Amino acid sequence: EADIYQTPRYLVIGTGKKITLECSQTMGHDKMYWYQQDPGMELHLIHYSYGVNSTEKGDLSSESTVSRIRTEHFPLTLESARPSHTSQYLCASSDPGQGDYEQYFGPGTRLTVT
Amino acid sequence: RKEVEQDPGPFNVPEGATVAFNCTYSNSASQSFFWYRQDCRKEPKLLMSVYSSGNEDGRFTAQLNRASQYISLLIRDSKLSDSATYLCVGLSGSARQLTFGSGTQLTVLP
Repeated sequence: EADIYQTPRYLVIGTGKKITLECSQTMGHDKMYWYQQDPGMELHLIHYSYGVNSTEKGDLSSESTVSRIRTEHFPLTLESARPSHTSQYLCASSDPGQGDYEQYFGPGTRLTVT
Repeated sequence: RKEVEQDPGPFNVPEGATVAFNCTYSNSASQSFFWYRQDCRKEPKLLMSVYSSGNEDGRFTAQLNRASQYISLLIRDSKLSDSATYLCVGLSGSARQLTFGSGTQLTVLP
């Protein structure tokens, strides 16, 4: 089992609230990622990080922001949640020394904005 | 056009059947390819890498055809536990990012 954790697993929240989705890994991986996945659809990369103090935007434009102050922690924040943000958010990490192709995913956070 | 395209299925097959999934990619600069497996409401996990020479792992065989930009996954003697969505994935770019297909859903029936 991969040592990557996400909290909360499920979140139902009202429009306009600020939310932070937590992701942490204990594998010491430098690269971390956030994906968004709607039911039955492909994963879309929304943010990634090469390491501490590095954050990059992914292929899918997102109103969320991320930070990487510690290697093991990569939280995602939505300043003002909207119904269009309803989706599953998956965090992942990889070891560049191993080629990056094996990404270890957390269990995901299912977000519903009402 | 999507960078990685898959037949979404669903494929419903009886136990013991052989089933093949196909995937095409549009980015000829893609460096490597993989198959990931995603169970219902679970996270994706790496199943196997795909090489031009073919790659076999037990009942699973993956093949890459760069000339046709085509990737395949063959599952022999399918088991109930093989029921899942199979994601075709490409690795490309200097940033070495994974691009995921939308997945092919497989249900193995008793």
